[in-house]
Amino acid sequence: GNSVTQMEGPVTLSEEAFLTINCTYTATGYPSLFWYVQYPGEGLQLLLKATKADDKGSNKGFEATYRKETTSFHLEKGSVQVSDSAVYFCALTASTGNQFYFGTGTSLTVIP
Amino acid sequence: NAGVMQNPRHLVRRRGQEARLRCSPVKGHSHVYWYRQLPEEGLKFMVYLQKENIIDESGMPKERFSAEFPKEGPSILRIQQVVRGDSAAYFCASSPPGARDIQYFGAGTRLSVL
Repeated sequence: GNSVTQMEGPVTLSEEAFLTINCTYTATGYPSLFWYVQYPGEGLQLLLKATKADDKGSNKGFEATYRKETTSFHLEKGSVQVSDSAVYFCALTASTGNQFYFGTGTSLTVIP
Repeated sequence: NAGVMQNPRHLVRRRGQEARLRCSPVKGHSHVYWYRQLPEEGLKFMVYLQKENIIDESGMPKERFSAEFPKEGPSILRIQQVVRGDSAAYFCASSPPGARDIQYFGAGTRLSVL
């Protein structure tokens, strides 16, 4: 079946620190992989995506590389800001089917 | 946020009452999805609808839950005879025709059952 496992939080970092949030997946076929971000009181917003092996998704300084050999899609950012404080969700959608499969979310707090 | 509107944002019901959750998709989007997030868990797919049709309801509980997306008006997720275990955040997402892998999410409805 399809599933996503992501690093448990909460994560607290100082401003300008390096961020990694781990995400691994199990899927049949060739899934597309996503990171969504949820700011307080808002819905989920697409942060970045990758649709095939070795693709790198990037947006707003965040990036993640689709690694088929390790079934991973870790999220990284070189220097976090206070405004990056949010909950981050890793997700996949299978090559067939209609739904997204989400991880449990990782809460990130960045302190000045 | 791409404009999916959900209401109410918070809903409190007593056991046995009905809960009705509304979702207006992004203008022009014809696909709607409902997800449920239980405490300490990720979002779980419930149902996928197109206008007037249920396409995939594999994640819907077999009893008490129903969903519709009429030709006019918002999509409705209905929970009859709510129980405490229904307390959760319910998210709606929409996608445009031909691009089902991009889903835009609403802010969610938080249902509390007393």
